Amino acid sequence: GENVEQHPSTLSVQEGDSAVIKCTYSDSASNYFPWYKQELGKGPQLIIDIRSNVGEKKDQRIAVTLNKTAKHFSLHITETQPEDSAVYFCAAYLHTGANSKLTFGKGITLSVRP
Amino acid sequence: EAGVTQSPTHLIKTRGQQATLRCSPISGHTSVYWYQQALGLGLQFLLWYDEGEERNRGNFPPRFSGRQFPNYSSELNVNALELEDSALYLCASSPPGQGETGELFFGEGSRLTVL
Repeated sequence: GENVEQHPSTLSVQEGDSAVIKCTYSDSASNYFPWYKQELGKGPQLIIDIRSNVGEKKDQRIAVTLNKTAKHFSLHITETQPEDSAVYFCAAYLHTGANSKLTFGKGITLSVRP
Repeated sequence: EAGVTQSPTHLIKTRGQQATLRCSPISGHTSVYWYQQALGLGLQFLLWYDEGEERNRGNFPPRFSGRQFPNYSSELNVNALELEDSALYLCASSPPGQGETGELFFGEGSRLTVL
């Protein structure tokens, strides 16, 4: 099955700085990579996703890059704000027929210092 | 439009008891997913229901089970509760035909504490 790892486990940045969160995956056949943000007391919410036929995707202050050769993808947040403080989960989808599954990483806690 | 709703918000049980958690998906969504979020372990996939059928299950023992009703709502049952079952249980839904290759809409979860 797929194995997804996130680095680092916690990240603290100053407001206005950029934050980069990295994930690696194990199965080169994975083809869909979403990022979810979970605020305290709430369920995770999709913030951006990328498919394996694309190398980069941007949405305002958020971007995701995918390196299929190295099997890693990264979330980039520019001009961080205190409301960006949350737990961020990356995931990878592996299509294997009946056992196709979305596998999540363990999450990274991002703290943005005002 | 109402999002995914889960009940109860909190549940306290003792070892050996059974717990039942409930989920109502977004209107029009036919797939329901259950995840366990235990401290430090991220989101662990439990079960996927679509059109009333169990489509996939994660690496959990058989005492974790569930079902999906004709109105697409779902319940998760955990039998013979163990201390390590203490976690936040999240339900998510998705539109027909999308599966997990598009946005999953999560509820706020049910916090299960086993004493």
